[in-house]
Amino acid sequence: GENVEQHPSTLSVQEGDSAVIKCTYSDSASNYFPWYKQELGKRPQLIIDIRSNVGEKKDQRIAVTLNKTAKHFSLHITETQPEDSAVYFCAARAAGNKLTFGGGTRVLVKP
Amino acid sequence: DGGITQSPKYLFRKEGQNVTLSCEQNLNHDAMYWYRQDPGQGLRLIYYSQIVNDFQKGDIAEGYSVSREKKESFPLTVTSAQKNPTAFYLCASSIGGTKDIQYFGAGTRLSVL
Repeated sequence: GENVEQHPSTLSVQEGDSAVIKCTYSDSASNYFPWYKQELGKRPQLIIDIRSNVGEKKDQRIAVTLNKTAKHFSLHITETQPEDSAVYFCAARAAGNKLTFGGGTRVLVKP
Repeated sequence: DGGITQSPKYLFRKEGQNVTLSCEQNLNHDAMYWYRQDPGQGLRLIYYSQIVNDFQKGDIAEGYSVSREKKESFPLTVTSAQKNPTAFYLCASSIGGTKDIQYFGAGTRLSVL
């Protein structure tokens, strides 16, 4: 089955700096890659997603890039703010509608 | 918030007891999912259902059971066979087919007495 690895597990950045989280996947048939943000004690919320026919997608301060050849995708957050502090999960979809999640990255934005 | 309701928010299980976690959605979604989240870890798929009266095992189905008798409901039973049930359980739903965005409920935190 699909295997998704996510790095780093924790990330501390100064407010205003950029944050980058990287994920690799194993199944070349995966075609959908969402990113979720989970604040402490709350439900995961979709923040951005990308499909395999697109190399990059941007939404305000958030962008995702996909390299199908290398089987990795990344989340970029620019001009980080304290409210960006949360746990971020990447995921990949292969067969059916099953999502396989990465282990998560705890992001701390220091004011 | 809203659309997917999980209850209860907190649940305690005694040794040898089966407990059932509720998940209800009013989004008219065909597909529903159950995930387990352990501290500091990602989400692992327990069971999923693409359509009423049908469901499939996920990656960690042992010790769990589900039913999908109604489109809006997908209850999860944690059986006594699950020896380490303490975790945060999340239910999700999606439209289904190629519409794959999953929306999550607020979760149930299960602890063992």
